[in-house]
Amino acid sequence: EAGVTQFPSHSVIEKGQTVTLRCDPISGHDNLYWYRRVMGKEIKFLLHFVKESKQDESGMPNNRFLAERTGGTYSTLKVQPAELEDSGVYFCASSRNTYGYTFGSGTRLTVV
Amino acid sequence: SQELEQSPQSLIVQEGKNLTINCTSSKTLYGLYWYKQKYGEGLIFLMMLQKGGEEKSHEKITAKLDEKKQQSSLHITASQPSHAGIYLCGADMRGAGSYQLTFGKGTKLSVIP
Repeated sequence: EAGVTQFPSHSVIEKGQTVTLRCDPISGHDNLYWYRRVMGKEIKFLLHFVKESKQDESGMPNNRFLAERTGGTYSTLKVQPAELEDSGVYFCASSRNTYGYTFGSGTRLTVV
Repeated sequence: SQELEQSPQSLIVQEGKNLTINCTSSKTLYGLYWYKQKYGEGLIFLMMLQKGGEEKSHEKITAKLDEKKQQSSLHITASQPSHAGIYLCGADMRGAGSYQLTFGKGTKLSVIP
């Protein structure tokens, strides 16, 4: 089966601009997650979708971050406006159930 | 303070040597995952442990979860250059079917031929 696909793989934007990251989960996986790793820190949970519904968004840092999953398929994570501290690697993962996480390759976001 | 401590932070070993990476928490680990990451790639799933005392092996990699479910180790036997990368432990620390994983900072492994 195809894995979790994320794009772009890299994005460099200026502070104040908007960036949208996309994640295509494995077909049939109802659960979709966003995580991120900022420089020098551990990977941290952002949010969890079950189909198109946000199940848990306790990790979203602030209201500059907006995640959507229209139709319960692919998901987007928009950062608007981007700040320097948003730089890092954003990972998406999907699973059919609790214990079957598959991660994507990540999007490396650099805000300058 | 970190909820999941990984040690060591980095490790350089000669090819053929054995090595161990540890993942420790002061809280119960309801599900413990080991992942490997190479630069530019996603997290590759290695193993998942759930029960206290559980041990799993795949090829030359063995992972264990202690009886108290607060510490896990990853052991590589006869290391090879292909084992190089960043090893991450991730855990469900909430239980009750939580989907949220907490990660350690990772251990960077280099294997010298």
